[in-house]
Amino acid sequence: AQSVAQPEDQVNVAEGNPLTVKCTYSVSGNPYLFWYVQYPNRGLQFLLKYITGDNLVKGSYGFEAEFNKSQTSFHLKKPSALVSDSALYFCAVRDKRGRDDKIIFGKGTRLHILP
Amino acid sequence: NAGVTQTPKFRVLKTGQSMTLLCAQDMNHEYMYWYRQDPGMGLRLIHYSVGEGTTAKGEVPDGYNVSRLKKQNFLLGLESAAPSQTSVYFCASSSRSEQYFGPGTRLTVT
Repeated sequence: AQSVAQPEDQVNVAEGNPLTVKCTYSVSGNPYLFWYVQYPNRGLQFLLKYITGDNLVKGSYGFEAEFNKSQTSFHLKKPSALVSDSALYFCAVRDKRGRDDKIIFGKGTRLHILP
Repeated sequence: NAGVTQTPKFRVLKTGQSMTLLCAQDMNHEYMYWYRQDPGMGLRLIHYSVGEGTTAKGEVPDGYNVSRLKKQNFLLGLESAAPSQTSVYFCASSSRSEQYFGPGTRLTVT
């Protein structure tokens, strides 16, 4: 079964520093991975996805993610954190079987950017 | 485009009452989903639909029913609400891969 794991419940980063939010995956077949962000009292917003090709994927709001097949990881990164990046981040993997098409979400990592 | 909308935004129910949550999307997406979000649990899939007139069970379907009579609408019903169904409910839709989420419905069952 497809699954993702986010090993950190919370990450604290000082404003202006680089940030990393970790995600590892377990899939059968080729991985199809996502990152979503949830701001307080809002629905999830799509940030970026990896299908195939370049291991560095660029997304919204200056975020990028690095796909590493040997380490089965898909970490979210940003070179310089902003206070407004504080939110809940979800890693996710596509689970498609025939016409069934679902996304399996991790439990989320809360990112705090400290001014 | 409004994207994905959900009604109501908030609701308080007494144990045993019933209600229906409405999700609507104007993006002509085939797929629609209902999730619940609870602290420390991430998002859990309740039911989903791969097209008009079809529904399927997700990870936590017990106590819920759904209907997809029109392509743009996906209804989630609670026939007899229980305190364990206190949660934030999100609807999402998709056409190919990434899903687009509504703003959520905060439901409290007392």
